[in-house]
Amino acid sequence: QQQVKQSPQSLIVQKGGISIINCAYENTAFDYFPWYQQFPGKGPALLIAIRPDVSEKKEGRFTISFNKSAKQFSLHIMDSQPGDSATYFCAASKGGYQKVTFGTGTKLQVIP
Amino acid sequence: DAGVTQSPTHLIKTRGQQVTLRCSPISGHKSVSWYQQVLGQGPQFIFQYYEKEERGRGNFPDRFSARQFPNYSSELNVNALLLGDSALYLCASSSGLAGGPYEQYFGPGTRLTVT
Repeated sequence: QQQVKQSPQSLIVQKGGISIINCAYENTAFDYFPWYQQFPGKGPALLIAIRPDVSEKKEGRFTISFNKSAKQFSLHIMDSQPGDSATYFCAASKGGYQKVTFGTGTKLQVIP
Repeated sequence: DAGVTQSPTHLIKTRGQQVTLRCSPISGHKSVSWYQQVLGQGPQFIFQYYEKEERGRGNFPDRFSARQFPNYSSELNVNALLLGDSALYLCASSSGLAGGPYEQYFGPGTRLTVT
């Protein structure tokens, strides 16, 4: 059972544009929603995370929007740069149990 | 400060063999989790250890086992290797367990190839 669904599978954005990745979850017990960035041959790196009591969190060019009633959350990358080209994973976990359930990943390519 | 370290970086094994992967968490972190990432997919949770005790197990067969040592480093063992065990094995560490903080930091992984 896939508990975190992620779309799109791949995304091509021009430099300076906005990249948007969407995720939906099923388990209402999830209370922590991180996003990870992974470059080829490397482990995932924590990018930004949100708790369900907040509807939006911004860190630099990265923003998470969270809709608890719809059980959806999304990552927006503003002013996308070629260096942002990587695979992005949304994820979710429950407090007190740090098993992280990952989405299927979105391969982002930012073209000059 | 050093991040999560894993060894070896790459490993090639034959079907039926056994393998041991090693992980050292970030200094001060007491929780270690193991994940399997098959090419083109998201990481799948295998185990979590906290204070040397198993605190969570994913949907993996008994061929997979792990342990955590007093210095909080950890080993993942896989017996009777199958071709399908070929993957990137990731270790993640975090500082706590219940109540957060929840942030997990991943190592670079061990690339296991089973032939």
